[in-house]
Amino acid sequence: DQQVKQNSPSLSVQEGRISILNCDYTNSMFDYFLWYKKYPAEGPTFLISISSIKDKNEDGRFTVFLNKSAKHLSLHIVPSQPGDSAVYFCAASPSYQLTFGKGTKLSVIP
Amino acid sequence: GAGVSQSPSNKVTEKGKDVELRCDPISGHTALYWYRQSLGQGLEFLIYFQGNSAPDKSGLPSDRFSAERTGGSVSTLTIQRTQQEDSAVYLCASSLDSGRASYEQYFGPGTRLTVT
Repeated sequence: DQQVKQNSPSLSVQEGRISILNCDYTNSMFDYFLWYKKYPAEGPTFLISISSIKDKNEDGRFTVFLNKSAKHLSLHIVPSQPGDSAVYFCAASPSYQLTFGKGTKLSVIP
Repeated sequence: GAGVSQSPSNKVTEKGKDVELRCDPISGHTALYWYRQSLGQGLEFLIYFQGNSAPDKSGLPSDRFSAERTGGSVSTLTIQRTQQEDSAVYLCASSLDSGRASYEQYFGPGTRLTVT
């Protein structure tokens, strides 16, 4: 039973436009959410996070939105750049143990 | 500073053989985690260490899997009598503490294990 779901395995976006990556979760005990970015042959790198007491967190071009009632979070990248092309993982946790989604492969087309 | 390193980067082994995967965490990080990523799947939690002790081994898939950490630093994940379903990328991460997920986990590049 997948507790963290990323239903879109891939997404293509034109350079300069907005990329929106979605994530749904089922475990109401999750209170901290993270996005990781992964390039081929490298480990995931932390991108941005949000606590359940917030509904939005912004860091430069990256914004994460959390809708607790819908158990849904999204990552917005504006404007998208070719270097953003990677696999993005959503992760959630009540403590130290992160539960990851399967990832969404983002391709930003120049 | 140096990040998390893992060795080997690639390992091909025959079914039934034992393998050891090594992780060197970031200096000063007390918490260390092992995950694996099978083809087309997300990262699956295996085990975590706080110092040298492993309070949570719940993610280890079978008793063929074991891990240890010595000196609060290097960790070794051992898989005995490997099976083809063990083929995956094994990722190690470390963080300052394990108390909260807000302590960012830094990942190594992973070891790609192929069991033939």
